[in-house]
Parts: sequence; C-alpha cells; structure tokens
Amino acid sequence: AQSVTQLGSHVSVSEGALVLLRCNYSSSVPPYLFWYVQYPNQGLQLLLKYTSAATLVKGINGFEAEFKKSETSFHLTKPSAHMSDAAEYFCAVTRSGGYNKLIFGAGTRLAVHP
Amino acid sequence: EPEVTQTPSHQVTQMGQEVILRCVPISNHLYFYWYRQILGQKVEFLVSFYNNEISEKSEIFDDQFSVERPDGSNFTLKIRSTKLEDSAMYFCASSEGSDSGANVLTFGAGSRLTVL
Repeated sequence: AQSVTQLGSHVSVSEGALVLLRCNYSSSVPPYLFWYVQYPNQGLQLLLKYTSAATLVKGINGFEAEFKKSETSFHLTKPSAHMSDAAEYFCAVTRSGGYNKLIFGAGTRLAVHP
Repeated sequence: EPEVTQTPSHQVTQMGQEVILRCVPISNHLYFYWYRQILGQKVEFLVSFYNNEISEKSEIFDDQFSVERPDGSNFTLKIRSTKLEDSAMYFCASSEGSDSGANVLTFGAGSRLTVL
C-alpha cells in the first residue's frame, strides 16, 4: 500500500523568503513522487516529478524537490517566494508499471504575504 | 499543449437528480480517471478506466456512480441519484500509460457539482 503525509495544512511565508513544504511517503515498492499545484478555482497542474532518476528534481516556477529514501521524504522548496505562489500544493505517490493511480496527500495551502 | 477538457465547469442540481459530468481526455492517452475533492479536503481517487472497462474503483464509487466512454473521445461520470454529500469538485485525468516508468496524469480544470 502507498500513502502520503503532508505536514502542515497551512504554511505562511513572506515574499522573498524560503518556501518549504513537507511531504513524507510510505510505499512497499519503489515510489514515483509528484507535486501538483492548484490555484484558486483551477485544476491540478504538475509542478515536478521524481521517477527514479536524479534525486533532486527541478520543476516549473523555480520549485524543486529532493527525494530522500532514508527519510522517506520528498519536500518541496523554492528559494524565494513570490506572491503568485499562493496556492494549494499536493504531494502524490504512485509506482511504476502500466496503470497505477495517484494517491494524494491532504494538501498544504501556501500563503505569501508582502 | 494538449489538455483534458471538462464540462460543465459548474452544475447545480437537486438531491435525487441524475448528473452526467463530461471529459475529453488527451487523444493518445489510454488510461482515464475520475477524482473527487470535497471542499477543503484531499483529492480522492474514484475510478480508473482502460480498454473500455473499469480497472479499479474506490469504496466511494458505489452503485450510484458509473463511467462510460460512449464515442471514443468522451469519458463520462454519471451519478444516478445525487446526494448532498456528492457536492464536490470532480476532476477528470488521463495518462499515456506504459509498462514501465511513471504514469503521469494530466488533469482537467474540474467540474464543480453542487447538490441542493
């Protein structure tokens, strides 16, 4: 079975500050991990994905995430927050091979204030 | 860039009425999914569909729900007799599917269902 835990349902940062959104996973098989972003009243947009290649993954809008097997973590970071980063962020896990559904975490709402 | 298209964007219905939510997946994708997000809660898997049949369904996907790919392009979710608790955002997604590698889902913008 696979699951994802996102620590912190709400994170608030100042514009220009470091963004750190935490995600821990549980998986009995090698996982593939994703971060999706949801802007208000919009769908889910893929930010980045880990698919067993490089452990440090770069995504869109300056975000990156590092897969750490020893810590079962896949935290999302951005060095300098922008007001436009305010959104809900979802970590998700799946596994390789054919069809496999995505299992989402509960989400973290990021607020960016001036 | 290819998109998954969902209609309607918002539907309001009375409890007990039937609702059909429509999706046009990306044309070369083989796997199709419906997810649900109740306001303020996590995104939950409902059902996956491949080769004209359900691959997997969650415990949420009871007899009130059905899916269909009626014409080779549309993928529909039907709720036969809506309940108040069916009020949610429903997301359609599709993926290429492969025997190896990550199965990357592309999501539509969602259909918000409000049951009164």
